[in-house]
Amino acid sequence: SAVISQKPSRDICQRGTSLTIQCQVDSQVTMMFWYRQQPGQSLTLIATANQGSEATYESGFVIDKFPISRPNLTFSTLTVSNMSPEDSSIYLCSVGGTASRSYGYTFGSGTRLTVV
Amino acid sequence: QKEVEQNSGPLSVPEGAIASLNCTYSDRGSQSFFWYRQYSGKSPELIMSIYSNGDKEDGRFTAQLNKASQYVSLLIRDSQPSDSATYLCAVSTGTASKLTFGTGTRLQVTL
Repeated sequence: SAVISQKPSRDICQRGTSLTIQCQVDSQVTMMFWYRQQPGQSLTLIATANQGSEATYESGFVIDKFPISRPNLTFSTLTVSNMSPEDSSIYLCSVGGTASRSYGYTFGSGTRLTVV
Repeated sequence: QKEVEQNSGPLSVPEGAIASLNCTYSDRGSQSFFWYRQYSGKSPELIMSIYSNGDKEDGRFTAQLNKASQYVSLLIRDSQPSDSATYLCAVSTGTASKLTFGTGTRLQVTL
């Protein structure tokens, strides 16, 4: 399976500021996914990051709030913009694979964000 | 109707017993099915994937898939206290498609 390096692992941020989370993969992957896991809840998909095109956002998530970059097949960033305490969550990146190979949707170690 | 449903638990089983975790899904186009284990404060860890009807065994874990009934399950034999975690069921429509997660079942293995 692919190995994902995600950073930062945690951060405490002031409301109104922005945080950029990075994920680096050791293999080239077609799709990268960004999830949010609020306390005590399951994972909710924020968006799918495609290399060379704009990210595809799920209902309830917008690009202005969660801009995503995908400059190449091994790297992506998620920015949480103009943060409020409601954005306090764990943010996770994941990779699925290519059309010919599944990486079993490996996850990064997560970023625990607290907004104060 | 939720797309992927699981009983939230907690499911409590004694050490050495078989734990049975269940999941149903609504999208008949789903092709790939996964079970993740998540310890508190950690990211999900893939423990089983299954793509065809029937059983798939890996050590103490057996995944079972019934596409006609839209049902997937995970059996954990000889349950150990270290198996105590939340188990997440996830489905996708392809190897490069997004995953949809259930709410997870919390398993407690008691001594």
